Amino acid sequence: QKEVEQNSGPLSVPEGAIASLNCTYSDRGSQSFFWYRQYSGKSPELIMSIYSNGDKEDGRFTAQLNKASQYVSLLIRDSQPSDSATYLCAVNTNAGKSTFGDGTTLTVKP
Amino acid sequence: NAGVMQNPRHLVRRRGQEARLRCSPMKGHSHVYWYRQLPEEGLKFMVYLQKENIIDESGMPKERFSAEFPKEGPSILRIQQVVRGDSAAYFCASSPPGRQGYEQYFGPGTRLTVT
Repeated sequence: QKEVEQNSGPLSVPEGAIASLNCTYSDRGSQSFFWYRQYSGKSPELIMSIYSNGDKEDGRFTAQLNKASQYVSLLIRDSQPSDSATYLCAVNTNAGKSTFGDGTTLTVKP
Repeated sequence: NAGVMQNPRHLVRRRGQEARLRCSPMKGHSHVYWYRQLPEEGLKFMVYLQKENIIDESGMPKERFSAEFPKEGPSILRIQQVVRGDSAAYFCASSPPGRQGYEQYFGPGTRLTVT
């Protein structure tokens, strides 16, 4: 079992729809959770961080964390073609090192 | 406020040569991380450093790879006697002091090609 697992994808949604990206992790001691967006040929860009159970909203993005289920998700409302990218889930146990999932590729079709 | 800087952006080396990749963290950041990403694959952690200290090198190959973050100057990832399998994008990230597990900010990466 991988330490951080994401939907294998690719995920395709129409413009204006809600995109839902999921991530599970194996280390119950994990404290910090991050979502990064990576466009093809570019470096990862931090878009959301979440540290406690529940929802955290930032514009069209909502991160959801459920530590009991070891599950973190990212919802993108009103998806735009510019949201088309690979989304990486990262988990950190506060020991410094972040473990990344392999990413889910999202395509938003106009 | 400049972001994380990496150079060179592209590096071509012949098999057997040495590759040196440099990373300057964001101003005020004292934690540096190196990751490797093979084409169409995810990010793989290599090493976590603070000034003059290697904190976690569990992702570093045992041979040919080394990293340092001196008191002055950038962090250096060094690959000796490169092989074709070393061709990848190498990303550096930094985070501020005092909080492990804090957000990491990535540089643009160095694309290494071994011919």
